[in-house]
Amino acid sequence: RKEVEQDPGPFNVPEGATVAFNCTYSNSASQSFFWYRQDCRKEPKLLMSVYSSGNEDGRFTAQLNRASQYISLLIRDSKLSDSATYLCVVNMYSGGGADGLTFGKGTHLIIQP
Amino acid sequence: NAGVTQTPKFQVLKTGQSMTLQCAQDMNHEYMSWYRQDPGMGLRLIHYSVGAGITDQGEVPNGYNVSRSTTEDFPLRLLSAAPSQTSVYFCASSYSWQGVDTQYFGPGTRLTVL
Repeated sequence: RKEVEQDPGPFNVPEGATVAFNCTYSNSASQSFFWYRQDCRKEPKLLMSVYSSGNEDGRFTAQLNRASQYISLLIRDSKLSDSATYLCVVNMYSGGGADGLTFGKGTHLIIQP
Repeated sequence: NAGVTQTPKFQVLKTGQSMTLQCAQDMNHEYMSWYRQDPGMGLRLIHYSVGAGITDQGEVPNGYNVSRSTTEDFPLRLLSAAPSQTSVYFCASSYSWQGVDTQYFGPGTRLTVL
């Protein structure tokens, strides 16, 4: 069974700190990778796509390591509003259809004042 | 744009009852899907559609039916509710069936089956 694995946490981090978490995936042929954010009792929303060369969006940096089959998310200068569950999403189908999107169970992040 | 809308927000059913969860999107998206989210598990795909008139099964289709008569609407029918179907259900849509597009989720339906 093709899997996407995340540390469920919770990660308790003081405001202003840097936090990073990883996600591993089992299918070496996977081509599309994403981080979604889900607030408590809300729907998931796209945080960022993850590109082969790595990408940055403000305080957020995503990296892909194909050799070790993991993606990472780094949050710098964390804010109270960053408290949420972060879902790793990998397309497990080499053909790339959206039905191949596989969601990790999520990493719960709590930013403390 | 309203985005993806779902009704109802909450529902309680008795075992054996049937019901339809409604989902609509106003973004002219080609791809629509239904997921369920259970505690300690990732979102799991129930059914999906790559366009009007075309549907297919996902990972956990048993006990559910779908249809897609229009681009906008993608209802999910529970045929005979069971306690194992207690879950949060999310409808999602994306511009195309290709897995590189952003998935836009509705606010979810919290279903309890007694």
